Amino acid sequence: QEQLQESGPGLAKPSETLSLTCTVSGGSINTHSWNWIRQSPGKGLEWIGNIYYTGDTNYNPSLQSRVTISVDTSKDQFSLNLRSVTAADTAVYYCAKGHAFDIWGQGTWVTVSS
Amino acid sequence: EIVLTQSPDTLSLSPGERATLSCRASQSIAGNYLAWYHQKPGQAPRLLIYGASNRATGIPDRFSGSGSGTDFTLTISRLEAEDFAVYYCQQYGASPRTFGQGTTVEIK
Repeated sequence: QEQLQESGPGLAKPSETLSLTCTVSGGSINTHSWNWIRQSPGKGLEWIGNIYYTGDTNYNPSLQSRVTISVDTSKDQFSLNLRSVTAADTAVYYCAKGHAFDIWGQGTWVTVSS
Repeated sequence: EIVLTQSPDTLSLSPGERATLSCRASQSIAGNYLAWYHQKPGQAPRLLIYGASNRATGIPDRFSGSGSGTDFTLTISRLEAEDFAVYYCQQYGASPRTFGQGTTVEIK
């Protein structure tokens, strides 16, 4: 059974970079697209961007200037870097598979605070 | 970007009743690439419907989706206790992917 698991620090300081990794188990990252999505009480569900195993990426224009998504096919992992974070970036961050998001990680709560 | 507007915001129903949720898009969704999810507290959303009308793996047949273009509907034929949750629509016909604001289905 394919599963996704987010990992990374639960706390980031303002102006720093938030870095998260999603590990794919029970399947291969060499298919489909792989997404980052976040959810905060004020903004609901927000798609951050996605990456294909080829390395092709798409980003939400609202975050594009601060986001990088990368993939490591040798480890079946993909990662999110969000730069210059503020309190507004506090949210639960999810990774998810596909165009319709058929598999989700459990989510990881990230707080931006000094 | 495509804005999705869900209605109503809250639906108060009893177990066994029929639920009808609406999702309207600000422009036509290519390929009817519209998905529905539900989310329970503390959990990730779960895919129910993709391609507007296709049930995802393991989803019971009391869930059905319909619609095309800009107007889509999720119907739950007979509500069961585990169906009370927040429901979201999402389009994947264009980038950026976008979600509706959600409809809460609560026990009356």
